[in-house]
Amino acid sequence: DIVMTQTPLSLSVTPGQPASISCKSSQSLRHSDGKTFLYWYLQRPGQSPQLLIYEVSNRFSGVPDRFSGSGSGTDFTLKISRVEAEDVGVYYCMQSIETPWAFGQGTKVEIK
Amino acid sequence: QVQLVQSGAEVKKPGASVKVSCKASGYTFTSYDINWVRQAPGQGLEWMAYMTPSSGNTGYAQKFQGRVTVTRSTSIGTAYMELSSLTSEDTAVYYCSRGDFWGQGTLVTVSS
Repeated sequence: DIVMTQTPLSLSVTPGQPASISCKSSQSLRHSDGKTFLYWYLQRPGQSPQLLIYEVSNRFSGVPDRFSGSGSGTDFTLKISRVEAEDVGVYYCMQSIETPWAFGQGTKVEIK
Repeated sequence: QVQLVQSGAEVKKPGASVKVSCKASGYTFTSYDINWVRQAPGQGLEWMAYMTPSSGNTGYAQKFQGRVTVTRSTSIGTAYMELSSLTSEDTAVYYCSRGDFWGQGTLVTVSS
């Protein structure tokens, strides 16, 4: 099974400052069709996960452009250009190139 | 708009089974796989199973093989997840997900 490893596991950020989360997979997430099946989710306290980024770098509908995703193969990054109060929660990366889907451990983002 | 609406919270005794429903609306039910993911209290996300509603094909995480069954009713656009032989370690919020959209979650509490 694929293992997803996120760093850091927690982050305390001053509003308006950038934040970055790393995600590494134990094997390549690039499919033979050229797509890379890496996703980023935000789970706000008490809520269901919500999709932020799909296939490495595509923002989902309604996601602010301060969120961006990058990477390839096995190394990926989520960046928030200027953190806002509403960005608090736990961020998960996830792979779906094969079952079982695998999630990273989660990165808890707090506001200073 | 796309919605996945799950059944309400359940309290079960050890050894019992639970069946959670997930009603889809706002899209063609048979066009997207439905996945089941759970989250134990204070923990991360754990993938359990998927179903392809158009064909009925299913896949299960090794950890839950033999204990979980996912089914669907295409006539009413609803997916189901049944978990048997419950123990206290199955206490969790169970989510159905299309990947981009998630249900609101169903809390299953296993307690004697």
